[in-house]
Amino acid sequence: DAKTTQPPSMDCAEGRAANLPCNHSTISGNEYVYWYRQIHSQGPQYIIHGLKNNETNEMASLIITEDRKSSTLILPHATLRDTAVYYCIVLYSSNTGKLIFGQGTTLQVKP
Amino acid sequence: DAGVIQSPRHEVTEMGQEVTLRCKPISGHDYLFWYRQTMMRGLELLIYFNNNVPIDDSGMPEDRFSAKMPNASFSTLKIQPSEPRDSAVYFCASSLDVLITDTQYFGPGTRLTVL
Repeated sequence: DAKTTQPPSMDCAEGRAANLPCNHSTISGNEYVYWYRQIHSQGPQYIIHGLKNNETNEMASLIITEDRKSSTLILPHATLRDTAVYYCIVLYSSNTGKLIFGQGTTLQVKP
Repeated sequence: DAGVIQSPRHEVTEMGQEVTLRCKPISGHDYLFWYRQTMMRGLELLIYFNNNVPIDDSGMPEDRFSAKMPNASFSTLKIQPSEPRDSAVYFCASSLDVLITDTQYFGPGTRLTVL
């Protein structure tokens, strides 16, 4: 599975959009980009995933560049409860479902 | 559904003792995963099951660790004997399938401290 690179930490003002980048320059055509987050002392929580097209759900939007070498997770109106560690993970389409977590980005939403 | 249930939530034991962690997956989910999280190594997959059968245990650190799934609604992770370096948060997760569109649902974790 392709390796991902994320900034270790980011800050965001409450109510503003939080844009979390992820680099996956070695991604192959069959690999999906997944995002999970882990709020302090809780288990990881699925946010969103995509292959080529941009995706949106009730939690966030995922923007994948045309060459698929990077992506951005967007939380449109960050709240204090969005403070968490965000993990970007790349999964092969026939993958067994094994999630390989990196160090992630610690997002601090400030009032 | 109550989600993935893990017990105990906290466990403190002494080195050399046997520790058993328990997990109840979401009903109907065919896959169950055990993860371990430490500050040094982050989140690591230890083992996963499909329909109660262990599929991949390559992440199990050593023979002191064993996992079983006697039925679709229960799994255990056992450490015998425990060592201080086993101190970590252990998460159980389940998923309906491992097709790319299925997500894993994590339990609240068991925080293990081995003195």
